[in-house]
Amino acid sequence: AQSVTQPDIHITVSEGASLELRCNYSYGATPYLFWYVQSPGQGLQLLLKYFSGDTLVQGIKGFEAEFKRSQSSFNLRKPSVHWSDAAEYFCAVGSYNTDKLIFGTGTRLQVFP
Amino acid sequence: DADVTQTPRNRITKTGKRIMLECSQTKGHDRMYWYRQDPGLGLRLIYYSFDVKDINKGEISDGYSVSRQAQAKFSLSLESAIPNQTALYFCATSDQGQGDGNEQFFGPGTRLTVL
Repeated sequence: AQSVTQPDIHITVSEGASLELRCNYSYGATPYLFWYVQSPGQGLQLLLKYFSGDTLVQGIKGFEAEFKRSQSSFNLRKPSVHWSDAAEYFCAVGSYNTDKLIFGTGTRLQVFP
Repeated sequence: DADVTQTPRNRITKTGKRIMLECSQTKGHDRMYWYRQDPGLGLRLIYYSFDVKDINKGEISDGYSVSRQAQAKFSLSLESAIPNQTALYFCATSDQGQGDGNEQFFGPGTRLTVL
């Protein structure tokens, strides 16, 4: 079955620390992978996406993610977290054959000063 | 102005009432979606539509219906609301076959409470 797993429900980091949010997927076709961010009271905003080419993708707000096919992972990273990064982060997977996305359950990021 | 708008933004209603949530988009996209978000469950697809004459059930369509009145409008109805339909509802749109992934664009959400 197709699925997305975000193993960390809640992560707390200090401002300025590095960040890695984990995402693992199970998908039969070649995956398209996305990271979305949801700030409090807001809709979802796309951070970055991977659909082909370089497996290290750069996104907005200084985020990057690396697609590792052998590990079925698409982890999100940021070298130095800012207080404004506190939000909920969702990983999602789709494919060329469908416009439907499957979302993970999300990781809530808390940033301490 | 926002590309994807949802009305109302907040709604409190009672069990058994009929509720309609509306979504409009100015992005010119053919494809529209309705999701619900519950804590710890992420986003789950309720219904989706690839054009005005196309309606498809998603993962959790029971208790919901939709109407695609025009390319730009996609409404979600709860015929007889029940408390476990209390959730945050999102509308999303995507363009067709751009070859760069099916990125979806989300509205700001409607928070629905059923008492």
